Amino acid sequence: EAQVTQNPRYLITVTGKKLTVTCSQNMNHEYMSWYRQDPGLGLRQIYYSMNVEVTDKGDVPEGYKVSRKEKRNFPLILESPSPNQTSLYFCASSLRGTDSNQPQHFGDGTRLSIL
Amino acid sequence: AQSVTQLGSHVSVSEGALVLLRCNYSSSVPPYLFWYVQYPNQGLQLLLKYTTGATLVKGINGFEAEFKKSETSFHLTKPSAHMSDAAEYFCAVSDFDSNNDMRFGAGTRLTVKP
Repeated sequence: EAQVTQNPRYLITVTGKKLTVTCSQNMNHEYMSWYRQDPGLGLRQIYYSMNVEVTDKGDVPEGYKVSRKEKRNFPLILESPSPNQTSLYFCASSLRGTDSNQPQHFGDGTRLSIL
Repeated sequence: AQSVTQLGSHVSVSEGALVLLRCNYSSSVPPYLFWYVQYPNQGLQLLLKYTTGATLVKGINGFEAEFKKSETSFHLTKPSAHMSDAAEYFCAVSDFDSNNDMRFGAGTRLTVKP
């Protein structure tokens, strides 16, 4: 089954404790991205990757890191999480970048609470 | 840069009534337009998309949307609401000049009353 898998689905942690949210897709998609969803703001892009070893900032990259060492994986790293990063996070992938007509496939989301 | 405005953060309809969710966009070049649906505790699923060609686009679950360039709109409709349509709906826009920047609206939560 074609899917985007995120882990964990839920995480409560404390300020400053490094964490990683994993994302994996099995569709051989070139393009992957991370979004955060906050009430009234919709989805905002954090980082995206056009292909292996190619990443770039989205609208709200501050406080986040990503890497793309393999085509299927695109982890999101919070080196020193803060309470304003409490949010619902989505990983997505598509065949090519969003400057094409390809839709994105989304994971089920990761709800992060930073205390 | 392109942007999306969804009018109405909450829409409530009765079962069997018409569903109309509004989306207006801004883009300096011809846009690609998408509607996604999000059910509780799930990710976003594609409902339908407009790229080129026919301006009336049919999607899954009986939804359709019409691209109106003169009104810069891409409203989502369904003739008869079902209880299972209760969800949050997002309109999104990208274009071939977007530099991989897909913009989402703030979302509209649809409630269906029995």
